[in-house]
Amino acid sequence: DADVTQTPRNRITKTGKRIMLECSQTKGHDRMYWYRQDPGLGLRLIYYSFDVKDINKGEISDGYSVSRQAQAKFSLSLESAIPNQTALYFCATSKPFSGRGTDTQYFGPGTRLTVL
Amino acid sequence: GQSLEQPSEVTAVEGAIVQINCTYQTSGFYGLSWYQQHDGGAPTFLSYNALDGLEETGRFSSFLSRSDSYGYLLLQELQMKDSASYFCAVRGARDDKIIFGKGTRLHILP
Repeated sequence: DADVTQTPRNRITKTGKRIMLECSQTKGHDRMYWYRQDPGLGLRLIYYSFDVKDINKGEISDGYSVSRQAQAKFSLSLESAIPNQTALYFCATSKPFSGRGTDTQYFGPGTRLTVL
Repeated sequence: GQSLEQPSEVTAVEGAIVQINCTYQTSGFYGLSWYQQHDGGAPTFLSYNALDGLEETGRFSSFLSRSDSYGYLLLQELQMKDSASYFCAVRGARDDKIIFGKGTRLHILP
């Protein structure tokens, strides 16, 4: 069974629609992240959460919002989707990192979102 | 701001050795990570350097030099399955934000 799951895996929507992407994990990690990936631009951090009450903006948070419903669930919302939000979206988890050991993120399979 | 620079593409021959470089402009980070991503797949963790020097994991090694703001991933005995994109990443020590490079596409010729 996958440790980090994302739903839906593919979504096509229209400009102006509200969209929610969901992420669930069974790894027991406190930290969760949302990234978007565009060709040639790598992975860019949208939001990250260290626990249910700690949510932080990443590099490109405008136009997005998130909700951490539980330790295992972290949702990303596009309140009013626009075509330049067409991208591949990844959720990831990690253990708390204190500067010692290995800093590893575990990624979900991704959601391909197309906004027409 | 923080940025990491990688070559966009690298080509090598099966069985050979290839080095993928990552130079960065950032102050105060924990260490340098490397991830592999095959087409249509999710990134997977390869290696992490907390300290300067070389870390070896099987056919893959990674190096960090903080004084030179530079790191690299070394892949030995290349196999066709190593054809993928490779990303370096850092976690800021002040804000815990994670920044990825734009990735290097590795092409392997038979």
